[in-house]
Amino acid sequence: ETGVTQSPTHLIKTRGQQVTLRCSSQSGHNTVSWYQQALGQGPQFIFQYYREEENGRGNFPPRFSGLQFPNYSSELNVNALELDDSALYLCASSPTSGRAQETQYFGPGTRLLVL
Amino acid sequence: DAKTTQPPSMDCAEGRAANLPCNHSTISGNEYVYWYRQIHSQGPQYIIHGLKNNETNEMASLIITEDRKSSTLILPHATLRDTAVYYCIVKVSGGGADGLTFGKGTHLIIQP
Repeated sequence: ETGVTQSPTHLIKTRGQQVTLRCSSQSGHNTVSWYQQALGQGPQFIFQYYREEENGRGNFPPRFSGLQFPNYSSELNVNALELDDSALYLCASSPTSGRAQETQYFGPGTRLLVL
Repeated sequence: DAKTTQPPSMDCAEGRAANLPCNHSTISGNEYVYWYRQIHSQGPQYIIHGLKNNETNEMASLIITEDRKSSTLILPHATLRDTAVYYCIVKVSGGGADGLTFGKGTHLIIQP
């Protein structure tokens, strides 16, 4: 069974640029959640995707957006990058039936540095 | 989701049981207690979860008090590889699309 994978592992961008991060969910999981983890802090929930639609969102501005594909993989897009967007971005997948949510399993993360 | 309180750090000798406490005094009846850990710069790893009964798996045991206001994660024979930040999270399982709410966790350091 393949776990959650994310790409790339590391990324450097400059302020104002746009970035796309990718996540492949664990086999059999149809729900993907994204988190941002700043240095020294716990992960913060960005949003969740289920059935290719955003299913819940944390306190993040609209320049954070996402997609989910029919194979349940997902992308996180961040526009107009700011220095404070530098963080570890984590993807988690879970098997979900309707709106019932099961245990989330995390990928290794993508470390983004904005200069 | 109810909030949790954990000590910021703990030490434990290698080979001994590590007991990590968590207070969740405002937990509601349909909220589960989840434990994750995060080894430096890696993604959080799921450990265990429970509702009201004690739970055990190959990684750890979870002891939940009868009033459900606190719990303890037990690593029975700690190794150096168990050094990590441990997060206690309460979460409704079933319904809702909120993410997990991570606090600052407990930094567990296993001493050789």
